[in-house]
Amino acid sequence: NAGVTQTPKFQVLKTGQSMTLQCAQDMNHNSMYWYRQDPGMGLRLIYYSASEGTTDKGEVPNGYNVSRLNKREFSLRLESAAPSQTSVYFCASSPIGIRPQYFGPGTRLTVL
Amino acid sequence: DAKTTQPTSMDCAEGRAANLPCNHSTISGNEYVYWYRQIHSQGPQYIIHGLKNNETNEMASLIITEDRKSSTLILPHATLRDTAVYYCIVTPQGGSEKLVFGKGMKLTVNP
Repeated sequence: NAGVTQTPKFQVLKTGQSMTLQCAQDMNHNSMYWYRQDPGMGLRLIYYSASEGTTDKGEVPNGYNVSRLNKREFSLRLESAAPSQTSVYFCASSPIGIRPQYFGPGTRLTVL
Repeated sequence: DAKTTQPTSMDCAEGRAANLPCNHSTISGNEYVYWYRQIHSQGPQYIIHGLKNNETNEMASLIITEDRKSSTLILPHATLRDTAVYYCIVTPQGGSEKLVFGKGMKLTVNP
């Protein structure tokens, strides 16, 4: 049981490049989330998916798109990366209802 | 959404109990209190949550005041591995979908 896995662990992009961050969970959770964490700050929600087939914007969705590929996988895409998107990105999942979220190890992204 | 207030930082001696306070004076009746921690640069780790009763699990205890305006997370025997940033979060409508992380509180456990 790996929990929540994220790939890649590290990535360096040039301004304007695109990339997709991958997230998968093996806990049969319904809900999945993408957060970003800037240095010295708490996490901010980018997008979430309450269940397979649905996605909703969080606090900071601009510049990102998401795809809930199936129940296990939730990807985050940067179409045209900007230096302001340099951050650590965390994926999380949770069962339905009043349950905690379980986080992945993060992807450290630098946009030059 | 109810906001939370935590001290910026706190120190604790190894082996002693660490009592981490949190104020949430605007909490509404169906909002839960969640605690997470983040060790170094790892992903946040769930610790415990509660509505109005005190809760205990293998990691910690959560004490919520009767008026629910504040709570205390207790790590009964702090170890060096408990050094982390601790987040106290109140979840809207009782669900965990929209966690709002503040800056949290840095707990340093000293040998």
